[in-house]
Amino acid sequence: AQSVTQLDSHVSVSEGTPVLLRCNYSSSYSPSLFWYVQHPNKGLQLLLKYTSAATLVKGINGFEAEFKKSETSFHLTKPSAHMSDAAEYFCVVSENTGGFKTIFGAGTRLFVKA
Amino acid sequence: NAGVTQTPKFQVLKTGQSMTLQCAQDMNHNSMYWYRQDPGMGLRLIYYSASEGTTDKGEVPNGYNVSRLNKREFSLRLESAAPSQTSVYFCASRRIASTDTQYFGPGTRLTVL
Repeated sequence: AQSVTQLDSHVSVSEGTPVLLRCNYSSSYSPSLFWYVQHPNKGLQLLLKYTSAATLVKGINGFEAEFKKSETSFHLTKPSAHMSDAAEYFCVVSENTGGFKTIFGAGTRLFVKA
Repeated sequence: NAGVTQTPKFQVLKTGQSMTLQCAQDMNHNSMYWYRQDPGMGLRLIYYSASEGTTDKGEVPNGYNVSRLNKREFSLRLESAAPSQTSVYFCASRRIASTDTQYFGPGTRLTVL
């Protein structure tokens, strides 16, 4: 069975400082992993995805994530936070088991202080 | 190219009423999904359809039914709405594989009184 745990429900950073949003996963198969972002009252947008190619994945808006199989982690980072990064972030795991069932983490809300 | 569209955007129901949420995609995607989003719980999968003609239960299917009408359309039905079904509902689609990106509709905000 697959599952996703986002280790922090809220993260607060100052503008210009690094961002770290943590995600651990569990999967019986080689998973695909995604990070999505949801701005207030908006839909979901893909930030980046890991699909068994390079373990360091670069996404939009300066975000990147590293797949670490030994730690079953897929943490999202950004070197310097911007006010526009304030949003909710979801880590997602998907298994290629015919139905392509997809499970979301509970989300991490990122606050960015001026 | 509208992507994933959902109707209605907002709906208020009384307990026991029924309704159908509509979802359509114009990207020729094979797989379609229904999620509900509740505060602090992320998105939870209700039902999904890996391809036209197939549907499967997700994490929270109780109280819902789905129909994959054709390749484009995937509807979600609440037969007898309950206050616990108050939520924001998102439809999504993806091309075919687990490595493909899911594309989401704008959501339907449902309140059950």
